[in-house]
Amino acid sequence: AQSVTQPDIHITVSEGASLELRCNYSYGATPYLFWYVQSPGQGLQLLLKYFSGDTLVQGIKGFEAEFKRSQSSFNLRKPSVHWSDAAEYFCAVGARGYSTLTFGKGTMLLVSP
Amino acid sequence: DGGITQSPKYLFRKEGQNVTLSCEQNLNHDAMYWYRQDPGQGLRLIYYSQIVNDFQKGDIAEGYSVSREKKESFPLTVTSAQKNPTAFYLCASSISGTGPDEQYFGPGTRLTVT
Repeated sequence: AQSVTQPDIHITVSEGASLELRCNYSYGATPYLFWYVQSPGQGLQLLLKYFSGDTLVQGIKGFEAEFKRSQSSFNLRKPSVHWSDAAEYFCAVGARGYSTLTFGKGTMLLVSP
Repeated sequence: DGGITQSPKYLFRKEGQNVTLSCEQNLNHDAMYWYRQDPGQGLRLIYYSQIVNDFQKGDIAEGYSVSREKKESFPLTVTSAQKNPTAFYLCASSISGTGPDEQYFGPGTRLTVT
C-alpha cells in the first residue's frame, strides 16, 4: 500500500518570498502524484499532477512541483507567494490501475505581510 | 457549469439519529468517493464507487453506508453506530473507475452531532 508524508504541519512565509512544501511518498512502482489546495471550509482544487514524462510539472496559480524518484519526493514550489495563497495544501499518491488516492495530512500555509 | 454539489453545507443532528448527506455530479464521471476530514488528519476514505450499482469500503467505513443507484448520485448515510460523526465530509468524483485520475471535489458538508 502507498503512503504520503507531509513533514510540515504549518509553514509561515512572507509575502513575496519563495515557497517549498515537502511531500514524500512510499510506493514500489511509479507513482501518480497530485497536489491539491483547500481554502477554509471549501473543497479541494487540483494544482498539478504527475503521471510520467518531464519530472518538473507546471500547475495553476504559478505553482510547480518536481518529481525526484531517488528521494521519493514531490515537493511543491512557488517563486513568489501572494497573500491569497494562504490555505492548506495536500499531496496525494495513486497507483496504476486503482482509482483511489492516498492523501497526506496536509500543510497549512500562512502568509505574513 | 459542470461540477459536484453537496447539500446541505451545514447539518446538525442529535446523537442516535441517522443522517444522509447528498452528493450529486453532472460531470458524467464513473467513479465517486466519500472522504472524512478532521483537523490534522488529512482526508480519509470512507467509501468509493467505481461504477453504478457497485461500491467498496474505504479505510474508515464502519458506521457509514452508501448507495449508487444512479451514475450522478452517491449519498452517504451516517448511522448511529458511528461513534464520532462530527466532521467535515467531502464528496469527489473522477472520470474513470480504473484510474488513478484527477478527483474533482464538492464544497463539503459540515456535520455536527450533539
